[in-house]
Amino acid sequence: DTAVSQTPKYLVTQMGNDKSIKCEQNLGHDTMYWYKQDSKKFLKIMFSYNNKELIINETVPNRFSPKSPDKAHLNLHINSLELGDSAVYFCASSQDEGGSPLHFGNGTRLTVT
Amino acid sequence: GENVEQHPSTLSVQEGDSAVIKCTYSDSASNYFPWYKQELGKRPQLIIDIRSNVGEKKDQRIAVTLNKTAKHFSLHITETQPEDSAVYFCAASNQAGTALIFGKGTTLSVSS
Repeated sequence: DTAVSQTPKYLVTQMGNDKSIKCEQNLGHDTMYWYKQDSKKFLKIMFSYNNKELIINETVPNRFSPKSPDKAHLNLHINSLELGDSAVYFCASSQDEGGSPLHFGNGTRLTVT
Repeated sequence: GENVEQHPSTLSVQEGDSAVIKCTYSDSASNYFPWYKQELGKRPQLIIDIRSNVGEKKDQRIAVTLNKTAKHFSLHITETQPEDSAVYFCAASNQAGTALIFGKGTTLSVSS
């Protein structure tokens, strides 16, 4: 069983559209994250949730809205997609906040045309 | 906030040589320092980590050293093999201890 699973794996869409990425973890972890990896491979944290509560929101445009219905799920909704949103988005989870290993999902490659 | 600098950005070695990647961090409160390996098209995976109360940790061909005073830590890979070729990321816990901040990565190429 995949520990952190996210869907879809690939997402191709046009500018201006709204899209969602789903993430689920079965590790029993309390903390979940969204990271963005751009074309230069830089991994940048976007959001962190601990037990459904938003902990970090790192200078991300408000077009990006995370939602955590329970501590095993953290979804990412993006409104009015822009070319610059093209990237690989990784969901991750950890036992504790910031002081324990991150377990990453397989990533969602978003391409905005 | 926490800033993590990683060097070099690219590293090419011959099979069997050693490889060293260095990182510095800015926040003296950081206490957790993991290293991740990312193969092409795959997710980052933890290869080794160290906490601030330890100076060195080794796991087979991989070792990590931490100098808290200087605020830097390093990854050492000995007897490199072609399958070690990947992008390696260092990370440090942020000031609040709520997330990991990553360096910009090192692309390691091991030629046989």
